[in-house]
Amino acid sequence: GDSVTQMEGPVTLSEEAFLTINCTYTATGYPSLFWYVQYPGEGLQLLLKATKADDKGSNKGFEATYRKETTSFHLEKGSVQVSDSAVYFCALSDPTNAGGTSYGKLTFGQGTILTVHP
Amino acid sequence: DTEVTQTPKHLVMGMTNKKSLKCEQHMGHRAMYWYKQKAKKPPELMFVYSYEKLSINESVPSRFSPECPNSSLLNLHLHALQPEDSALYLCASSQDGRIYEQYFGPGTRLTVT
Repeated sequence: GDSVTQMEGPVTLSEEAFLTINCTYTATGYPSLFWYVQYPGEGLQLLLKATKADDKGSNKGFEATYRKETTSFHLEKGSVQVSDSAVYFCALSDPTNAGGTSYGKLTFGQGTILTVHP
Repeated sequence: DTEVTQTPKHLVMGMTNKKSLKCEQHMGHRAMYWYKQKAKKPPELMFVYSYEKLSINESVPSRFSPECPNSSLLNLHLHALQPEDSALYLCASSQDGRIYEQYFGPGTRLTVT
């Protein structure tokens, strides 16, 4: 079955440091890949996405590139801020058919807690 | 607008109570989801509705009963819950088609006493 593996946290950085959160996946088909962020006390927000190999997703200074050859989708940001402190989830969506209708069932990684200090 | 709304934000209920969680989206999405999330864990899928029909039930106990009155609304009826059901309950929606990203609501924090 499908699976997503994220680097273990927590990750603690100083403001303006470079961030990398590693994510690798296993999938039987051709999945779409996502990064979601969850701020304390809130739901998940879609941060960025990539739907095919070599696509680069980007948003709010975060980037991730869909690497099919290494089955990876690592999240990077050049200069983190205190406001980036949150839990980050890597996820994939492999199209599934149920009842004659297709939709994507998300498989999540375990999440990485990021804390950024001033 | 990519907003999914959920009510209530917080809910405390006893094990003999009956309560309902509500979710609404106005993005024209045709798939809606219920997830359960425990602290410091990823969300776990409970139910999927596609075109207002229940498509997936991830072996959820019958004390949780989903309902999709129309394409914009999703309810989760709760009855005779256990303390271990205390969690954050998240609703999500997605557009049917080749793009499968899901948009999540803020969640309902449920405490069962």
